[in-house]
Amino acid sequence: AQTVTQSQPEMSVQEAETVTLSCTYDTSESDYYLFWYKQPPSRQMILVIRQEAYKQQNATENRFSVNFQKAAKSFSLKISDSQLGDAAMYFCAYRSFDKLIFGTGTRLQVFP
Amino acid sequence: DGGITQSPKYLFRKEGQNVTLSCEQNLNHDAMYWYRQDPGQGLRLIYYSQIVNDFQKGDIAEGYSVSREKKESFPLTVTSAQKNPTAFYLCASSIGPGTGTYEQYFGPGTRLTVT
Repeated sequence: AQTVTQSQPEMSVQEAETVTLSCTYDTSESDYYLFWYKQPPSRQMILVIRQEAYKQQNATENRFSVNFQKAAKSFSLKISDSQLGDAAMYFCAYRSFDKLIFGTGTRLQVFP
Repeated sequence: DGGITQSPKYLFRKEGQNVTLSCEQNLNHDAMYWYRQDPGQGLRLIYYSQIVNDFQKGDIAEGYSVSREKKESFPLTVTSAQKNPTAFYLCASSIGPGTGTYEQYFGPGTRLTVT
């Protein structure tokens, strides 16, 4: 069975700095999708970025980018120029056939 | 505006009562999902449905029931058999299997407290 591991329960970053959140996963599949979701204090889950495993190029969405290492089964999220509004829980997710498998999340604090 | 609505935002019930959480979407998505979120844990899948009148159990289906009579609606009933029902419940939808990245879009959630 597929598993998703987020080993950093909490992270902090200074405003305008860069932070990287880690995620590893375990799978025997060769083609799959990975996602990062953000859950701010409102608790609304927001899709941040997606990565298709067959694509070599790392996905980028404005200040958010991923470092996808397929062989190492690693999928980290880099947030550049951090803003106070980035403070939230961040969940890594793996798509397994017809459902998502989530990690336990990383709480990101942003200090002014 | 297209989206997913969940009502109510907060729900309080006495132990032993069944309670139904509402989830409606106007995104024309085929698949819908229910998750439970507890502190310190990720989202755990309760039930999901890929098509009207069909649904499958997720990882923690015991004590819950669902129906999918309409494409737009996927209500979740928390029964008295659920041992620890107090939690935050999230509903999500996606286009469906076989059509793209399967990313799921979420509603705002319902906080259920049972005393």
